[in-house]
Amino acid sequence: EAGVTQSPTHLIKTRGQQATLRCSPISGHTSVYWYQQALGLGLQFLLWYDEGEERNRGNFPPRFSGRQFPNYSSELNVNALELEDSALYLCASSLWDRGADTQYFGPGTRLTVL
Amino acid sequence: KQEVTQIPAALSVPEGENLVLNCSFTDSAIYNLQWFRQDPGKGLTSLLLIQSSQREQTSGRLNASLDKSSGRSTLYIAASQPGDSATYLCAVEGTNAGKSTFGDGTTLTVKP
Repeated sequence: EAGVTQSPTHLIKTRGQQATLRCSPISGHTSVYWYQQALGLGLQFLLWYDEGEERNRGNFPPRFSGRQFPNYSSELNVNALELEDSALYLCASSLWDRGADTQYFGPGTRLTVL
Repeated sequence: KQEVTQIPAALSVPEGENLVLNCSFTDSAIYNLQWFRQDPGKGLTSLLLIQSSQREQTSGRLNASLDKSSGRSTLYIAASQPGDSATYLCAVEGTNAGKSTFGDGTTLTVKP
């Protein structure tokens, strides 16, 4: 069974540009989570999508947004890129079950903002 | 606001040793606690998930315990191997549905 996949592996952008990151969950999983792992800051929760709806978001500005498609894949958009947006962006998927859902992570997209 | 702390930040042990990693959290109103490992520059691999009603979970050489009342979890690794070298992260999901709070991790090095 295929795991969570993310594309691209690496992405280089300049300040002010927009970045789009993509995630395909494990087959049958309806929930997708996005996390940012910046150097020295640990893993920070960004967004949670389930059944096509945004269910929760972390303490990030509105220029971080995304969506979930009918096939449960998801994309994360970061507008007006800033240098501090450089990080590893991780996507995870699960079969939502309150308290019992194991999150399975993809390999990540490394975003570098110059 | 939930805060998760992992001690120690780094640990180096000789191969074959048994070891314990610690995770503490400030808000005991959690739905689950999950342990992950992360290899350098890679994504996370789920190791064990303990639901709030459970006290421990075991998988192979790994055993994780949960004490909600004291806000603590431990990950016990038996007979450590060089392949266990990685960063180990714990994460708790609280009452804010879908949002997991992660600790900063313990970086483990197992020397042959």
